[in-house]
Amino acid sequence: QLQLQGSGPGLVKPSETLSLTCTVSGGSISSDSCYWVWIRQSPGKGLEWIASIYYTGSTYYNPSLKSRVTISVDTSKNQFSLRLNSVTAADTAVYYCARRPYYNGMDVWGQGTTVTVSS
Amino acid sequence: EIVMTQSPATLSVSPGERATLSCRAGQSLRSYLAWYQQRPGHAPRLLITDASTRATGIPARFSGSGSGTEFTLTISSLQSEDSAVYYCQQYFTWPLSFGGGTRVEI
Repeated sequence: QLQLQGSGPGLVKPSETLSLTCTVSGGSISSDSCYWVWIRQSPGKGLEWIASIYYTGSTYYNPSLKSRVTISVDTSKNQFSLRLNSVTAADTAVYYCARRPYYNGMDVWGQGTTVTVSS
Repeated sequence: EIVMTQSPATLSVSPGERATLSCRAGQSLRSYLAWYQQRPGHAPRLLITDASTRATGIPARFSGSGSGTEFTLTISSLQSEDSAVYYCQQYFTWPLSFGGGTRVEI
């Protein structure tokens, strides 16, 4: 059974770079026809899609974050990662990683990683 | 970006009653819509994909309907564990977008 485990620092200083990793277990990150996704949820708010990467390596970004975000895959480690530059307090959120089969909903989610941006 | 609008914001229902949640899209999605349940302190869980297909392991009391711009999630007989926030999400086109959520209180 596929599982996702997100990891990364819980505290990031303003203007620095937030880096998160999602480790895939119980399956291959190179699976055909799957997107690997980052979503976040600010305190008390709804869900916001950040970025997706397809198994071929194609990337897709939320236009509101595109200038600061990079999503990547490391097939040797069965991981995918998120980098968010120049963070501010508005980036404080729970960050979720997820899998989305092609033209389907996000069917497997990580547990969520809480990130606080504060000096 | 396709704007997704959910209503009502909050729904209070008694156990055993039916709950009907609505989701409206700013443009046609065909059937490329998913519904998620999020209980407090937990990650979202996929309930419905392709507007009406229950995800693996989802009880039959959850059903989805609709196409185009109007979609509905129905919970036929509410149980206490159904207390949660429910989100719709379109995957017809980039950027992906979520509705603002409906809180179901039991």
